[in-house]
Amino acid sequence: LAKTTQPISMDSYEGQEVNITCSHNNIATNDYITWYQQFPSQGPRFIIQGYKTKVTNEVASLFIPADRKSSTLSLPRVSLSDTAVYYCLVGDKAAGNKLTFGGGTRVLVKP
Amino acid sequence: EADIYQTPRYLVIGTGKKITLECSQTMGHDKMYWYQQDPGMELHLIHYSYGVNSTEKGDLSSESTVSRIRTEHFPLTLESARPSHTSQYLCASRDRYSYEQYFGPGTRLTVT
Repeated sequence: LAKTTQPISMDSYEGQEVNITCSHNNIATNDYITWYQQFPSQGPRFIIQGYKTKVTNEVASLFIPADRKSSTLSLPRVSLSDTAVYYCLVGDKAAGNKLTFGGGTRVLVKP
Repeated sequence: EADIYQTPRYLVIGTGKKITLECSQTMGHDKMYWYQQDPGMELHLIHYSYGVNSTEKGDLSSESTVSRIRTEHFPLTLESARPSHTSQYLCASRDRYSYEQYFGPGTRLTVT
């Protein structure tokens, strides 16, 4: 499983765009990149998944450069309710039975 | 909406007691997981299963045990609870063809 590195915490303000970058230098050819969101006292919730280029859904966008050694989760126009911990995971769903959550990035959205 | 359930949601129990945390999912997922998480800390995988009668230990050593006799059911047992077992326990499941894990609401365990 590829190791990931992401910032421990980030602060932002309501209405701003938040970008969280995750480094995964030893990502394998078959690995996908997945992001989860976790609110206090709850289990993580799937946000978005991608393999390369750009993926967008109703919640976020995921930007993956051509070398795939990093990825950036973009949260547009955050609100107070986006305050949470965001986890970046990298793995191959076909070969791997487990996905390892690292420390995540604690995002605090201020009024 | 994910259909994965955990009971009890909260449990306070004395040292030395045997406890079983229940986890059930109705999605027919092959893969199931148990994580342990202390407040404000990262999730640690303690057990996982990729199908009936298959279980594996996770990244974090745990004194708990699990069983997978039915696809939908993945209980976790502590034979003798200790204060060091105080934590939140999260159960999750996913389909073999997807990365998306669905998490239950968790069990917050306190051992006194």
